[in-house]
Amino acid sequence: DAMVIQNPRYQVTQFGKPVTLSCSQTLNHNVMYWYQQKSSQAPKLLFHYYDKDFNNEADTPDNFQSRRPNTSFCFLDIRSPGLGDAAMYLCATRQTGRETQYFGLGTRLLVL
Amino acid sequence: KNQVEQSPQSLIILEGKNCTLQCNYTVSPFSNLRWYKQDTGRGPVSLTIMTFSENTKSNGRYTATLDADTKQSSLHITASQLSDSASYICVVTEAGGTSYGKLTFGQGTILTVHP
Repeated sequence: DAMVIQNPRYQVTQFGKPVTLSCSQTLNHNVMYWYQQKSSQAPKLLFHYYDKDFNNEADTPDNFQSRRPNTSFCFLDIRSPGLGDAAMYLCATRQTGRETQYFGLGTRLLVL
Repeated sequence: KNQVEQSPQSLIILEGKNCTLQCNYTVSPFSNLRWYKQDTGRGPVSLTIMTFSENTKSNGRYTATLDADTKQSSLHITASQLSDSASYICVVTEAGGTSYGKLTFGQGTILTVHP
């Protein structure tokens, strides 16, 4: 059974049109992460939630926002997608005290 | 700056052959090192994890080694199969200091297995 579920798997949006990516988890983990992975590059951490506390990486553009309404769900909002935002977006979860991060299958975003 | 360097960038082998992927890191303080397999268009899946005190860990045909003194790790794949074609990513977790176990990713080695 899938433990970290990302929807949709593929998302096409227009330049400048806001888009929201979704992540849900059945693991009840308290930490959730969003990564951006461009082609042939390593995943890059955008931000993470430690419980309800939001932690932004210093170089994450303001264009990227996140919401975590409850333990199970976390959303990535891209307010005005540019062509350079086309990438795979990965969600991961972790429970404090354990090192393993569990990744979802990812959402591939295409910006036209 | 914490870094993870992998080599080679890409590798092509014939089905049934063995191969070894390398990972060097400078992450400090060190908590653990993990090898992930990432199929095209999908999220990473953990293969092995090793802490400071472990120098080898196996998972089926995958065997990882760790030399914490030289900060090097390798992933050995035995009797390769077509389904092994993927990107293999070395990921190092920082210890202490932060509570969320920050990951530093290598660029990955793209392995292609030909019949």
